[in-house]
Amino acid sequence: EVQLVQSGGGVKKPGQSLSVSCETSGYTFSEYFVAWVRQKPGKGLEWMGSVLPRDSYVVYNPSFEGQVVISADRSISTAYLTWSSLKASDNGMYFCVRVERFNWFDSWGQGTPVIVSS
Amino acid sequence: ETVLTQSPGTLSLSPGERATLSCRTSEIVAGTFVSWYQQKPGQAPRLLISAATNRATGIPERFSGSVSGTDFTLSISKLEPEDFVMYYCHLYDASTSPLYTFGQGTNLEIK
Repeated sequence: EVQLVQSGGGVKKPGQSLSVSCETSGYTFSEYFVAWVRQKPGKGLEWMGSVLPRDSYVVYNPSFEGQVVISADRSISTAYLTWSSLKASDNGMYFCVRVERFNWFDSWGQGTPVIVSS
Repeated sequence: ETVLTQSPGTLSLSPGERATLSCRTSEIVAGTFVSWYQQKPGQAPRLLISAATNRATGIPERFSGSVSGTDFTLSISKLEPEDFVMYYCHLYDASTSPLYTFGQGTNLEIK
């Protein structure tokens, strides 16, 4: 069974750094893109970017490029979403998701809330 | 950039009725690049339909997808109480940036 289990997140102050993890199991991690999706409170879904663990290739949504770093560690089948300096506008729920055939998002993590407040 | 327009924003129906949700692309795209997701409150989205018409594993037969030109449709044949939640369409377009876009969502509510 494909599983994506997220950890990290929580309440942070503006300017702090944060890394959210997505531990995967049940499939060959290297061969599938893992995407990150943001959902701001009461709003829709936004694709942030995707990483292919096989070679750590990353593609970003231009709206998020330079704002976050997406990475993966093949040795522990885990993908990461990292902020070096959080802003209040980063408030939201963040989901990791496996991408099937570069196309549809077939297995989702449970979501990680990020709250940025002074 | 291919624009994705989902409608209606809210759909009010009764259990047992048929729901028709629409997603229109601004230009012709391969049907294989459109998918549909269901999101219940407080939960992660769930894949319902891939490649415009293929039901994902474990999805009830009352959910179906179709395509005609630039119009993609998610139909729910006989609404169950648990179907009254949020739905999103989704497009993968390798020729543009961003690669993936979601529709604005349709909130299916009980009439």
